Amino acid sequence: AQKITQTQPGMFVQEKEAVTLDCTYDTSDPSYGLFWYKQPSSGEMIFLIYQGSYDQQNATEGRYSLNFQKARKSANLVISASQLGDSAMYFCAMREGTGANSKLTFGKGITLSVRP
Amino acid sequence: DADVTQTPRNRITKTGKRIMLECSQTKGHDRMYWYRQDPGLGLRLIYYSFDVKDINKGEISDGYSVSRQAQAKFSLSLESAIPNQTALYFCATSRRQERRNEQFFGPGTRLTVL
Repeated sequence: AQKITQTQPGMFVQEKEAVTLDCTYDTSDPSYGLFWYKQPSSGEMIFLIYQGSYDQQNATEGRYSLNFQKARKSANLVISASQLGDSAMYFCAMREGTGANSKLTFGKGITLSVRP
Repeated sequence: DADVTQTPRNRITKTGKRIMLECSQTKGHDRMYWYRQDPGLGLRLIYYSFDVKDINKGEISDGYSVSRQAQAKFSLSLESAIPNQTALYFCATSRRQERRNEQFFGPGTRLTVL
């Protein structure tokens, strides 16, 4: 079974509107972390936001927020007030266990296109 | 700015050639990773190193080898390149003491094997 599932093939959003990018995960470890990274066409990987499994509140970073639903094992990224520069590929990733020997597992990514 | 750098940024080579991709970091991080990215497959872990004397295979290590020459340097080698190793390769680093294990990525190396 895939540990990180991103099934949306491609997303389109009108500039200035909000968009949700879906991510579901699978783990039996009670301690884990979820990350979202952005990859623009230039190729670099940019960290956006992090949610720990024990965090009581949903993470927010500027226009990015994470809709964390632990029971459903979902960690959807919400981008508010989309901008043309948000057009990119977005990856969800999971760290299982504590930081000591943990690694990240990435999903396959979602392409987001922002229309003017 | 403390950074993660990769050389070369682009490389075209022929089947059977030996290739080395290099990664250097000035972040002072002890952990380093090599990933490859293929369209539609996301990033997959090739090798990782939690310190200079600790090297571990990742999900897809066959056909690759690594060397951790120093805390700041982690090289990936393709002993005999083949066309299905054409991909975008990323090096990443993280800090052991940091609980959430956020990884910082280099700019990537685009490798084409003809």
